[in-house]
Amino acid sequence: SQQGEEDPQALSIQEGENATMNCSYKTSINNLQWYRQNSGRGLVHLILIRSNEREKHSGRLRVTLDTSKKSSSLLITASRAADTASYFCATSPYGGSQGNLIFGKGTKLSVKP
Amino acid sequence: DVKVTQSSRYLVKRTGEKVFLECVQDMDHENMFWYRQDPGLGLRLIYFSYDVKMKEKGDIPEGYSVSREKKERFSLILESASTNQTSMYLCASSFLGQGYETQYFGPGTRLLVL
Repeated sequence: SQQGEEDPQALSIQEGENATMNCSYKTSINNLQWYRQNSGRGLVHLILIRSNEREKHSGRLRVTLDTSKKSSSLLITASRAADTASYFCATSPYGGSQGNLIFGKGTKLSVKP
Repeated sequence: DVKVTQSSRYLVKRTGEKVFLECVQDMDHENMFWYRQDPGLGLRLIYFSYDVKMKEKGDIPEGYSVSREKKERFSLILESASTNQTSMYLCASSFLGQGYETQYFGPGTRLLVL
């Protein structure tokens, strides 16, 4: 049961530019997380934002959450070639089985040097 | 440092073979998960376990079974492999309980069934 939908599906930018990815979801959530996946590897947790938070920062990452619109965005500032990866949002549904996450299909980011 | 390991990075099996994928975590996590990842379909949950000997079906359990005899180890079993089970398999673990939903992933096993 897919809940998160990322947009765009693919994004290509130049090094130094900012990259913005969006995620929409359908039901109430406890929190929303963003993960990164390098080609052919496992996912790595980037950042978690709780349902009562609106914005969170971690290094060059900025995440916003709008629960009224059921959407989130991930901004990567001053992108680098090493940021090339797929990015997934994952939601922890309110009232769902503890620990279960529902992943979106991901945004494939390509940062050209 | 957090660590989730999977027994193989690449695996090639024949149709009808029984396949075991092993996952081990060293973080004393209660929860463990098996996903498969296919292009255009994202991650789909096959099975998860929140305790030793406990298992719950995910979204696509058909054709799979799991075993959790020890807290640190979660095995995915393909009883009779079929070509439509060719995929990337990802294992993950997390603590149990609200506020601990961050999942830690292994490197993945790319399975090819011929």
